[in-house]
Amino acid sequence: GQNIDQPTEMTATEGAIVQINCTYQTSGFNGLFWYQQHAGEAPTFLSYNVLDGLEEKGRFSSFLSRSKGYSYLLLKELQMKDSASYLCAPWNSGNTPLVFGKGTRLSVIA
Amino acid sequence: GAGVSQSPSNKVTEKGKDVELRCDPISGHTALYWYRQSLGQGLEFLIYFQGNSAPDKSGLPSDRFSAERTGGSVSTLTIQRTQQEDSAVYLCASSLGAGIPNTEAFFGQGTRLTVV
Repeated sequence: GQNIDQPTEMTATEGAIVQINCTYQTSGFNGLFWYQQHAGEAPTFLSYNVLDGLEEKGRFSSFLSRSKGYSYLLLKELQMKDSASYLCAPWNSGNTPLVFGKGTRLSVIA
Repeated sequence: GAGVSQSPSNKVTEKGKDVELRCDPISGHTALYWYRQSLGQGLEFLIYFQGNSAPDKSGLPSDRFSAERTGGSVSTLTIQRTQQEDSAVYLCASSLGAGIPNTEAFFGQGTRLTVV
């Protein structure tokens, strides 16, 4: 089984930086996905980390520490449209399903 | 089609009736996942298929839920004798393969099921 822990809700100001953490316990870890889900819509892919360290993709960056079972998503220059839920999903090697954490609901305020 | 297609998009059914939800994955994707999402909640894993077989059915909430996949393509999720607590959005996703690294899962728009 997997244990995935994320904060339930976060609030941040437009233009600011926010870090969304995810800790996990799983066997056969291979990499970790981050997805974004706007209210009433399907989740969409943001990033996938395999190696330790920070991967930057525009305003969004994702960090992974395999030894600590820890990842975070860093959102810079926040915009109102970034208000959404952010889901992390550790991926295991082998024939196992993709299981998501409960997600972090981010509210960006003016 | 270009993306994952689910039908119907909305379904209202009476308590006790059976419903079938359909998912048409992206062509060539061997892995197919079903999730359930209640209002304001996270994604609850139900079942996944690798090809036509379902290695993991552990997420199915009860024996009223079943799923099948034929021809390595379309999948149907069947809920028998629906209950009000079954009301949720049912999301389907597909990917190239569960055992292939760095293959993102693509989601359909979901079926919103309301049991009255």
